[in-house]
Amino acid sequence: DAKTTQPTSMDCAEGRAANLPCNHSTISGNEYVYWYRQIHSQGPQYIIHGLKNNETNEMASLIITEDRKSSTLILPHATLRDTAVYYCIASRAAGNKLTFGGGTRVLVKP
Amino acid sequence: NAGVTQTPKFQVLKTGQSMTLQCAQDMNHEYMSWYRQDPGMGLRLIHYSVGAGITDQGEVPNGYNVSRSTTEDFPLRLLSAAPSQTSVYFCASSERTGNYGYTFGSGTRLTVV
Repeated sequence: DAKTTQPTSMDCAEGRAANLPCNHSTISGNEYVYWYRQIHSQGPQYIIHGLKNNETNEMASLIITEDRKSSTLILPHATLRDTAVYYCIASRAAGNKLTFGGGTRVLVKP
Repeated sequence: NAGVTQTPKFQVLKTGQSMTLQCAQDMNHEYMSWYRQDPGMGLRLIHYSVGAGITDQGEVPNGYNVSRSTTEDFPLRLLSAAPSQTSVYFCASSERTGNYGYTFGSGTRLTVV
């Protein structure tokens, strides 16, 4: 699976959109981009995934560049409960095993 | 629908003891995985399974055994506990398509003294 690179940490204001970048320059054509988050010491939680097209669900939006070398997770209206570590993962098949990197520690501030 | 259930939630072992961490899912998921997470670190894959009777090693398999005799259960056995195995262990499951991602359990916090 392709390696992903994320900023170590970022802050965002409550109520504003949070844009989380992820680089995956070596991603192959059949690798999906998955996003998970881990709140405090809980088990990770699936957020969203995509292959080529932009995706949106009730939690977030995923924007994937046309060359698929990077993506952005958007939390449209961040709340304090969105404070977590966010992981961007490239995975070869939709149900394949996941390899976690360091993630981005997001702190939502009032 | 309970999702992924891990037991026990907390455990203290003495060096050299063995034990089994239990993981059960009721979603009829084919894929199951075990991860460990050391303090302040990301998750590392120990073992995984793509179906009953099929298991494979992940990134850090040494000191652990798994089996998958049923679709629902995926126990993780520590053969001879060592302090280096002090960690939080997460079990996860997914359907084959991955359309809903992996569902994780709430974790087992293991301390080896």
